[in-house]
Amino acid sequence: GENVEQHPSTLSVQEGDSAVIKCTYSDSASNYFPWYKQELGKGPQLIIDIRSNVGEKKDQRIAVTLNKTAKHFSLHITETQPEDSAVYFCAARENNAGNMLTFGGGTRLMVKP
Amino acid sequence: GAVVSQHPSRVICKSGTSVKIECRSLDFQATTMFWYRQFPKKSLMLMATSNEGSKATYEQGVEKDKFLINHASLTLSTLTVTSAHPEDSSFYICSAATGTEAFFGQGTRLTVV
Repeated sequence: GENVEQHPSTLSVQEGDSAVIKCTYSDSASNYFPWYKQELGKGPQLIIDIRSNVGEKKDQRIAVTLNKTAKHFSLHITETQPEDSAVYFCAARENNAGNMLTFGGGTRLMVKP
Repeated sequence: GAVVSQHPSRVICKSGTSVKIECRSLDFQATTMFWYRQFPKKSLMLMATSNEGSKATYEQGVEKDKFLINHASLTLSTLTVTSAHPEDSSFYICSAATGTEAFFGQGTRLTVV
């Protein structure tokens, strides 16, 4: 089955700086890669996703890149703000696995004012 | 994004009693619903996958008689924790999937005393 690894597990940045979180996956047949933001005591919220036919996608301060050959994808947050502080999870969906997602271990992002 | 409503958000119950958690997709029909359990500072652990009108598929190590899942319609799934014990205390999260994306409920904090 799919295996997703996420780094770093914790990340502390100064407000206004950029933050990058990286994930690798094992199944080359995976074709959908969402990113979720989870605030304390709440469920994960989809913030951006990318499909395997696209190399990069951007939505305001958030961007995701995908390298299919290397089987890794990254989340980039620019001009970070304190409200970006949360736990971020990457995930991968295997082809032919229904809608089942395999999650990375999570990254706790802290943005210091 | 689509809205998934999970209820209750918090519940405290006595040891030996049962607790039901509801998960509803409010503005879309979910082909598949998933139930996760999350331990503090950990990633999401898939418990089971359910499709409307059929029996849930449980992950290895998850007791199907203890965690009863009913998926009565394309917009409602329920998880019942039967004969709850303190070790069942956790954060439970549901997810509803369309053909491509998955959206999460707010989560339920279960405390068994």
